[in-house]
Amino acid sequence: SQKIEQNSEALNIQEGKTATLTCNYTNYSPAYLQWYRQDPGRGPVFLLLIRENEKEKRKERLKVTFDTTLKQSLFHITASQPADSATYLCALPPDSNYQLIWGAGTKLIIKP
Amino acid sequence: DSGVTQTPKHLITATGQRVTLRCSPRSGDLSVYWYQQSLDQGLQFLIQYYNGEERAKGNILERFSAQQFPDLHSELNLSSLELGDSALYFCASSVEGSANYGYTFGSGTRLTVV
Repeated sequence: SQKIEQNSEALNIQEGKTATLTCNYTNYSPAYLQWYRQDPGRGPVFLLLIRENEKEKRKERLKVTFDTTLKQSLFHITASQPADSATYLCALPPDSNYQLIWGAGTKLIIKP
Repeated sequence: DSGVTQTPKHLITATGQRVTLRCSPRSGDLSVYWYQQSLDQGLQFLIQYYNGEERAKGNILERFSAQQFPDLHSELNLSSLELGDSALYFCASSVEGSANYGYTFGSGTRLTVV
């Protein structure tokens, strides 16, 4: 079955630098992949969706890439700020497309 | 405010008891999903409803049940509660039956079983 791997260790980045988070998946390539942000004790917030025929997608300071050969998505935050500190989750649909499979998330800490 | 409303925000109850969590989806969304998130754990999918019908089931215990009503709000019933059921329970909604446009999550119900 499909599995998602995100770096379980927290990522510490200096303010102003670019933070890059990785999401790897096994088995088949999904039709799309999503990224969410989750703050402690709060529900995840949808950030970006990238489809299999898209190599890259941008939204303000966020950029997501999708490499179906490597079975990997990279999530970049440029000019990072302490307010970007949160856990970032990637998710993708199983074959049924009715719901999502979730990674465990990577905790991002932006230091001032 | 995401538009998905969950009540109550906090719930403390004793083992063996039964509780009901409520979710109102974002206006226009037909699908509701329930998730459990234990401390420092990932999101565990429980169940999905689409326009009143059960669409998909995940790792939902037999002690748990859910339904979606004609007005599209949903309730998650947890019975014979155990200490291990203590977790954050999230409801999410989407405009259609798939996740093609992303989910909108509520702020969750924190359940503490003592």
